[in-house]
Amino acid sequence: EPEVTQTPSHQVTQMGQEVILRCVPISNHLYFYWYRQILGQKVEFLVSFYNNEISEKSEIFDDQFSVERPDGSNFTLKIRSTKLEDSAMYFCASRATGTAPEAFFGQGTRLTVV
Amino acid sequence: AQSVTQPDIHITVSEGASLELRCNYSYGATPYLFWYVQSPGQGLQLLLKYFSGDTLVQGIKGFEAEFKRSQSSFNLRKPSVHWSDAAEYFCAVVYNFNKFYFGSGTKLNVKP
Repeated sequence: EPEVTQTPSHQVTQMGQEVILRCVPISNHLYFYWYRQILGQKVEFLVSFYNNEISEKSEIFDDQFSVERPDGSNFTLKIRSTKLEDSAMYFCASRATGTAPEAFFGQGTRLTVV
Repeated sequence: AQSVTQPDIHITVSEGASLELRCNYSYGATPYLFWYVQSPGQGLQLLLKYFSGDTLVQGIKGFEAEFKRSQSSFNLRKPSVHWSDAAEYFCAVVYNFNKFYFGSGTKLNVKP
């Protein structure tokens, strides 16, 4: 069964460093998302991406965040200068078409900023 | 504004007892509805979903959920809980094929 793959599963980084979280969406999907879950809190929407551009972003997704689809398979989330409060589980998701409401989630990357 | 409410933060049930986790959403139209389960440190596993049709949907691991339009609810049920069901459960809704809105989650504890 096709699945969304995220790497790494866990990353520890020092405050102020840049991190790139990687995702391989399901191959024929067209819509891509990043969500975040701070420990003990609910899952929050960060950004959606379609046709090589951001289609929607939340207020959390400020200038320190960026997304990219560098090739035909990867979808990345970059945090330019990490802060302690960026520590969270980050989930990537992908969706097939405009008429398919279901998105498939990856297993997440746990980011710890120290 | 769209929102999802899971009024129970923690629930404890005895193994073998029945379970119902509540979920309410606020929106005029019928959204697409989902339940996910998350074990500690793990990702989100889809339990079941409702798009249209029969308002009682069956999912994996013996779970079911019933959509009640009049109550804007999509409660998750299981007739007999197993110790392995201890986890956190998230209700989520999607409007207009767009992003997910998640509830704040219900942590389920199962007593032996």
